[in-house]
Amino acid sequence: DQQVKQNSPSLSVQEGRISILNCDYTNSMFDYFLWYKKYPAEGPTFLISISSIKDKNEDGRFTVFLNKSAKHLSLHIVPSQPGDSAVYFCAAYYTGTASKLTFGTGTRLQVTL
Amino acid sequence: SAVISQKPSRDICQRGTSLTIQCQVDSQVTMMFWYRQQPGQSLTLIATANQGSEATYESGFVIDKFPISRPNLTFSTLTVSNMSPEDSSIYLCSVQDTEGYGYTFGSGTRLTVV
Repeated sequence: DQQVKQNSPSLSVQEGRISILNCDYTNSMFDYFLWYKKYPAEGPTFLISISSIKDKNEDGRFTVFLNKSAKHLSLHIVPSQPGDSAVYFCAAYYTGTASKLTFGTGTRLQVTL
Repeated sequence: SAVISQKPSRDICQRGTSLTIQCQVDSQVTMMFWYRQQPGQSLTLIATANQGSEATYESGFVIDKFPISRPNLTFSTLTVSNMSPEDSSIYLCSVQDTEGYGYTFGSGTRLTVV
């Protein structure tokens, strides 16, 4: 049972344009959501997060939007840069005891020149 | 956020052997998490390691195959036992950040079983 899904395995965007990565979840208990970026041969690097009490969080070029009613979140990267090319994972957990992350399947972003 | 040193970064092992992966954290943490990322797949939680008690394993993972040690609040090991080619994956440790609600990951161990 995949509780966190990223339906687009890959995405190609031109440099300077906006990248939009989507994520859906099924477990209504999740109340905290994170996005990670992963390069090959490296561990995931935290990008940005959002609590379920908010619908938007912004950090520089990265903005995460949360639509609780739709159980959907998205990551916007503006403007996209070639260094953003990586695999992006969304992850979720509920801030109870034994909190553990549930990851999505990942979206490979390719930013082209 | 915490800094995690994970080693080895990669290894090629013969089937039937075991490999122990180490994670050292630069601060004391209550829980450490061990994940596996199979080729082309997402990250899957193997177990949660608490200091002073047995690790809690997720469905599909057992202690005999993935024994875990947690001797203190800054260190943990994961052993992949009696390896087969299906164990070829990236193994990662993780801790929850003491400030905020994020999680930090080690750089991962890329294991290839031949």
